[in-house]
Amino acid sequence: GAGVSQTPSNKVTEKGKYVELRCDPISGHTALYWYRQSLGQGPEFLIYFQGTGAADDSGLPNDRFFAVRPEGSVSTLKIQRTERGDSAVYLCASSFGPNTEAFFGQGTRLTVV
Amino acid sequence: AQSVTQLGSHVSVSEGALVLLRCNYSSSVPPYLFWYVQYPNQGLQLLLKYTTGATLVKGINGFEAEFKKSETSFHLTKPSAHMSDAAEYFCAVRGAGSGAGSYQLTFGKGTKLSVIP
Repeated sequence: GAGVSQTPSNKVTEKGKYVELRCDPISGHTALYWYRQSLGQGPEFLIYFQGTGAADDSGLPNDRFFAVRPEGSVSTLKIQRTERGDSAVYLCASSFGPNTEAFFGQGTRLTVV
Repeated sequence: AQSVTQLGSHVSVSEGALVLLRCNYSSSVPPYLFWYVQYPNQGLQLLLKYTTGATLVKGINGFEAEFKKSETSFHLTKPSAHMSDAAEYFCAVRGAGSGAGSYQLTFGKGTKLSVIP
């Protein structure tokens, strides 16, 4: 596709459930990023992939959060045992490389009830 | 370490009036600076960026920003507001060079711009 695609656009889940959020980056972009935007805040960095590997996962808040990018393209952010505090918009971005312009997807709005 | 402060979580201007959204940053390395716009239920769209060279940068939709190193500022302006400019605006910083600061964007909390007809 022409842009970064994120699915689903909205996800409502019950506290304690497991969720997966998908990001399909722009074709040819080797760098992929996940950010989290809580209500009233700017986006906060979660994790950065260069190719298939997580080059920097220092922004993941705890071990309930995990992300993969097995073939260097699509990435999945996984959240176990969801908590109400995980409710936020999760943004994915991709770029040709770490120092080039990042393009953002529309985000997945996660609501934990 | 990097940080961004956006003064004013909400700014209202009349249609046709000057838009001024303030951004101050701190960075331990030479910064790259960005302004993004976010319309409701949409992702972030890059308005403009400063990397090197001319300190006055022009972006899309008539916006511009000036990098002032001495003031550690990167304020966003537009001479005449249009109704379609109503959105949330985020200032962000990224470090030049290599290392974590070179790919992580650090965002401010955002300024919501309202345009009054």
